[in-house]
Amino acid sequence: GQQVMQIPQYQHVQEGEDFTTYCNSSTTLSNIQWYKQRPGGHPVFLIQLVKSGEVKKQKRLTFQFGEAKKNSSLHITATQTTDVGTYFCAGLSNTGKLIFGQGTTLQVKP
Amino acid sequence: KAGVTQTPRYLIKTRGQQVTLSCSPISGHRSVSWYQQTPGQGLQFLFEYFSETQRNKGNFPGRFSGRQFSNSRSEMNVSTLELGDSALYLCASSSSGTGGLNEQYFGPGTRLTVT
Repeated sequence: GQQVMQIPQYQHVQEGEDFTTYCNSSTTLSNIQWYKQRPGGHPVFLIQLVKSGEVKKQKRLTFQFGEAKKNSSLHITATQTTDVGTYFCAGLSNTGKLIFGQGTTLQVKP
Repeated sequence: KAGVTQTPRYLIKTRGQQVTLSCSPISGHRSVSWYQQTPGQGLQFLFEYFSETQRNKGNFPGRFSGRQFSNSRSEMNVSTLELGDSALYLCASSSSGTGGLNEQYFGPGTRLTVT
């Protein structure tokens, strides 16, 4: 079946360092969405990318959607302790299902 | 606007029993999706309802079912509970129309423990 693979599973960084998580789909996606889940919380929507090659920025966060619409990345510049949590990508398949990656858990050491 | 609400927040059931979980979406949202979240499997899509019709379904056994009411509120039911059904069940609503799923607004979840 359709899968969305996300790496790495865990990332520990020192505050101020950059962080990147990557998503790869086995099939072409209609769109890709990114969510953040804080410990003990629920996923919160961050952004949606629709166009091939699209790049969007939210302050220190940069999101990219690959040219083939099969991969995506989230890059955080100069991490802060408030960035701690699990980041999920979710790809919308051509069957209308939203398929979540396994998530990348980010720990930031102050 | 009030967010997505789910009841109950916590539930403990015994193997073989059944359970019904409830979700009230954000006002005006007609799409409601359900997800199962476990440490080992991540977020797994269960099903999506739009205007009282199941629009999409994940790869879960028939013991998992759901429905949506005319006011967009949704319920999911799990029959003959197994230990492996212990998980956080998340409901998400969306303003998506017929064009596909847009951003999901998640509720706080129902933590189900099966003993």
